[in-house]
Amino acid sequence: QVQLQESGPGLVKPSETLSLTCTVSGGSISSYYWSWIRQPPGKGLEWIGYIYYSGSTNYNPSLKSRVTISVDTSKNQFSLKLSSVTAADTAVYYCARTQPKDYYYYMDVWGKGTTVTVSS
Amino acid sequence: DIQMTQSPSSLSASVGDRVTITCRASQSISSYLNWYQQKPGKAPKLLIYAASSLQSGVPSRFSGSGSGTDFTLTISSLQPEDFATYYCQQSYSKSTFGPGTKVDIK
Repeated sequence: QVQLQESGPGLVKPSETLSLTCTVSGGSISSYYWSWIRQPPGKGLEWIGYIYYSGSTNYNPSLKSRVTISVDTSKNQFSLKLSSVTAADTAVYYCARTQPKDYYYYMDVWGKGTTVTVSS
Repeated sequence: DIQMTQSPSSLSASVGDRVTITCRASQSISSYLNWYQQKPGKAPKLLIYAASSLQSGVPSRFSGSGSGTDFTLTISSLQPEDFATYYCQQSYSKSTFGPGTKVDIK
């Protein structure tokens, strides 16, 4: 079955850019949307944005100025870049497959998550 | 932006209890509402999509209802493995999660 695995630095300095990659295995990245979600320590879930395999994107308005999500279909991967990070961006970052069934979008397969800490 | 609220924020229940969690949207979202379960240290798990459709493999004791602005998640008979935090999520306009409802042991 489809599995997702997040990868990237666990520690990022303030003002720098956070970069994460999600590798999709056991299935094709085509015909789905792919999302990033984060969860600060002890807090709830925050949707960051998603990308369609063709490259179209949709971002959380509160993060839009700092977020870029891209896809590499040849590697079955999609990526997140979040610029100008601060301590408030410290969180567990999840990637998830997003089903567009009948225009009802829902996240049915999730990665295990990766912890990113913003600190000097 | 669409805001989501959940009530209660936490509840204590016993095995076998019927549990109901409410989610409310700040504007009508039709049936674009999903429910997830999250256990400590784990990724969320999809339970219900499109307000009332049960995700494959999810026990039938979970059910969802509602449309417009008001939705409910019901667990008909709480099992030990159901103690977790539950989140609603709207996908009508971009996406927003509710703040979560923690279900713990009474």
